[in-house]
Amino acid sequence: GQQVMQIPQYQHVQEGEDFTTYCNSSTTLSNIQWYKQRPGGHPVFLIQLVKSGEVKKQKRLTFQFGEAKKNSSLHITATQTTDVGTYFCAGQQSARQLTFGSGTQLTVLP
Amino acid sequence: DAGVIQSPRHEVTEMGQEVTLRCKPISGHDYLFWYRQTMMRGLELLIYFNNNVPIDDSGMPEDRFSAKMPNASFSTLKIQPSEPRDSAVYFCASSFVGNTIYFGEGSWLTVV
Repeated sequence: GQQVMQIPQYQHVQEGEDFTTYCNSSTTLSNIQWYKQRPGGHPVFLIQLVKSGEVKKQKRLTFQFGEAKKNSSLHITATQTTDVGTYFCAGQQSARQLTFGSGTQLTVLP
Repeated sequence: DAGVIQSPRHEVTEMGQEVTLRCKPISGHDYLFWYRQTMMRGLELLIYFNNNVPIDDSGMPEDRFSAKMPNASFSTLKIQPSEPRDSAVYFCASSFVGNTIYFGEGSWLTVV
């Protein structure tokens, strides 16, 4: 079955440093989505990438979808304490349901 | 618009008791999902429905778990009998045409 692997599992950064989480799928994806879960909260949709090589930005967040549509990354520039949480990628293959990665838990030290 | 509504938000129960978690999806959404989240296993898809019909329940851990969706605006996840290893956060989520998933705030279950 489809597997979505995400690394790293945990990341501690000083406030102001950059952060990147990577997502890899065992199969080619039709699209990939990113979610953020604050501590004690629920996953919240951030963005969806559909096209090969697509890059999207949301303020300090940059999302990329690989050329082969099997990997993706989320990069946060100059982290802030409000960025704390777990970031999940979720890949979708054709008409199948989303498969969530294991998440990267980000801690931002003030 | 109201989001996905789950109840109860928190439940503490004794081993062996029946637990029923409830969910009201976003109006108009045709997919409903039940997820379980633990530190050890992360976010697991238990079951999902399309137009009230269960499509894939391969994630349901065992026969103690059951889920129903009697109509488009209500679903339940039942655990009977409950065990301490069932302690987790259970999320209900819904989507339209199987796309972006909207999660409820979760039901935090503790089985002692």
